[in-house]
Amino acid sequence: SQQGEEDPQALSIQEGENATMNCSYKTSINNLQWYRQNSGRGLVHLILIRSNEREKHSGRLRVTLDTSKKSSSLLITASRAADTASYFCATDAGSSASKIIFGSGTRLSIRP
Amino acid sequence: DVKVTQSSRYLVKRTGEKVFLECVQDMDHENMFWYRQDPGLGLRLIYFSYDVKMKEKGDIPEGYSVSREKKERFSLILESASTNQTSMYLCASSRSTGGRTEAFFGQGTRLTVV
Repeated sequence: SQQGEEDPQALSIQEGENATMNCSYKTSINNLQWYRQNSGRGLVHLILIRSNEREKHSGRLRVTLDTSKKSSSLLITASRAADTASYFCATDAGSSASKIIFGSGTRLSIRP
Repeated sequence: DVKVTQSSRYLVKRTGEKVFLECVQDMDHENMFWYRQDPGLGLRLIYFSYDVKMKEKGDIPEGYSVSREKKERFSLILESASTNQTSMYLCASSRSTGGRTEAFFGQGTRLTVV
């Protein structure tokens, strides 16, 4: 069974708007990561947040983590056409800190 | 530059064939992974290896086996390919130590079983 579930499954916004994606997971974690996948390609790591962190920023990305609710959100500010991609959250599997389990992903489309 | 290389971008195999998917990483990473990706299902972990000759089943190991004889190479084997194994297969590697467990991915192998 998958550890993470993203919400929404698909999101379409106008260029320049902010995009927010949410991730919920089931078991305790050491860290949570977000990845991006352009169509038909491998995934690229975006940002990692540790279980003792609540918020992290990287450029136009902002990630929050609420371990009490077992949830995380990824905010992309001032979206661009090039942000069109699928976004996945991933967690370590708790008992095995090195095992990385992915969610089902959010497909983000940016309209020009 | 960090690199994970999968041996084929596209493969077409016949039902019942034994299929080998190869993955090589040049980062001296301890961990290597095989995932399959299907529309609407995200990435599902097939097998995971944390050291040479060491492996752990993921969520969907049935119909697959793996081999890790050298640290840099992780092979996925479909013992007898079936049409329901038509999918995109993604290999990844990551480091165990230093708290940085981010995964680096290969470009993927799109396998079609006919």
